[in-house]
Parts: sequence; structure tokens; C-alpha cells
Amino acid sequence: GEDVEQSLFLSVREGDSSVINCTYTDSSSTYLYWYKQEPGAGLQLLTYIFSNMDMKQDQRLTVLLNKKDKHLSLRIADTQTGDSAIYFCAERKSGGYNKLIFGAGTRLAVHP
Amino acid sequence: ETGVTQTPRHLVMGMTNKKSLKCEQHLGHNAMYWYKQSAKKPLELMFVYSLEERVENNSVPSRFSPECPNSSHLFLHLHTLQPEDSALYLCASSQATQGAEQFFGPGTRLTVL
Repeated sequence: GEDVEQSLFLSVREGDSSVINCTYTDSSSTYLYWYKQEPGAGLQLLTYIFSNMDMKQDQRLTVLLNKKDKHLSLRIADTQTGDSAIYFCAERKSGGYNKLIFGAGTRLAVHP
Repeated sequence: ETGVTQTPRHLVMGMTNKKSLKCEQHLGHNAMYWYKQSAKKPLELMFVYSLEERVENNSVPSRFSPECPNSSHLFLHLHTLQPEDSALYLCASSQATQGAEQFFGPGTRLTVL
């Protein structure tokens, strides 16, 4: 199948770390992405990781990839209220054009 | 205007109406996409145009009809929709190369009564 699965909701306290998890199915996927969607807006690419990497860090964001388990995670350090949004995991299918398979999104709520 | 724009932002239509959604990109891209976003469901890819040629029609009902007159514009023509078609319709664009980032518009919130 083409399922990308994520938990639907995560609540964290401001200043704590957030970890959003995702599992995917296609072991031949070459790129894996994290997108952020704020209310009333489209999706914004946050970060991505190539399948031959197991970690990527970009300021407060850390992406971990376990290719054996087909598990991807996004860690946001020092979570702020502005991080409240829906976070989508996506895998890019190998070959052809840029077909992305998205998860249902994880709604991150940050409370004081 | 910059980036990817979509009009209208909100649309309410009856099941017998005909309407069109418009997407325009100002990024010099040559691939464009329509996605459907329903609550608590994965984003569904509907159509892909690459170099103005449709390369993907993801089992979408014929009541949705895409049109890509040039590389900057993409339309989604709607007719005789059903209430379950109510959703956020997102347009995206990218370069037509493998691994190119897709840039999304803000979406059109469609409600079918």
C-alpha cells in the first residue's frame, strides 16, 4: 500500500521538546519530507532528509530516519507557541515525476 | 503577486452548480498539482501536469476536470459535485525534475450543499 501514518494530535508545554513520529511503507522512497501547515495557509516545506542519511539537524529541528523500520521523526527543540500547526510527513516515490504520498498530519498544540 | 496563489479562497456551491478553481504560480515552475485535503485524512493527490501535459489522474471522478492552459495557470472545473467533495483544495507547483520542492498555495475551502 501507499500509507504514511502519523498520530493525529500532540500537546506540549512551551519550552519543551516536541517529537512527531511517522511511519511509511515504500522502502525505495528516496526523499522524506516534513511540511508545516498553519491555519488558513498552504503547506510549507520545513525540512527533508535523503534516504541514505539517518539524521539531519537544522537549527531547532532534528530529523531522524530509521530506514530498517521505515520510521521518521521530527524533533522540535524549545517548542514555541508559533510552532502550533499541523505537521505532515511525506515520502517521495522513486522514479517518474515528483509524486508525494502524505500522512494525515499531526496537529501540534503548544500551551503555556 | 509572488509564490502560488489560489482563487477563490472560499466557495459554497450547490450540487447542480458549475464552478472553477484557479491556481497561478509566479515561480517559473513547469509542473503543477491539485491535492484534496479532508479533515483527518492524508492529502490526496488528484492531478499532476508536467510541462503542460497531464501525467497523473489519480482515479478522480469525472465531475472534477483539470485544465492547464500554460505553465503558470491551473484550473479545476467542478460540476454536479456531492457533499462529500467538500474539502480544502490545494494547488502546488515545482520544477519538473526529480526531488524538486513543491510550493503550495493557501487553498480553496469548498463547501458543497
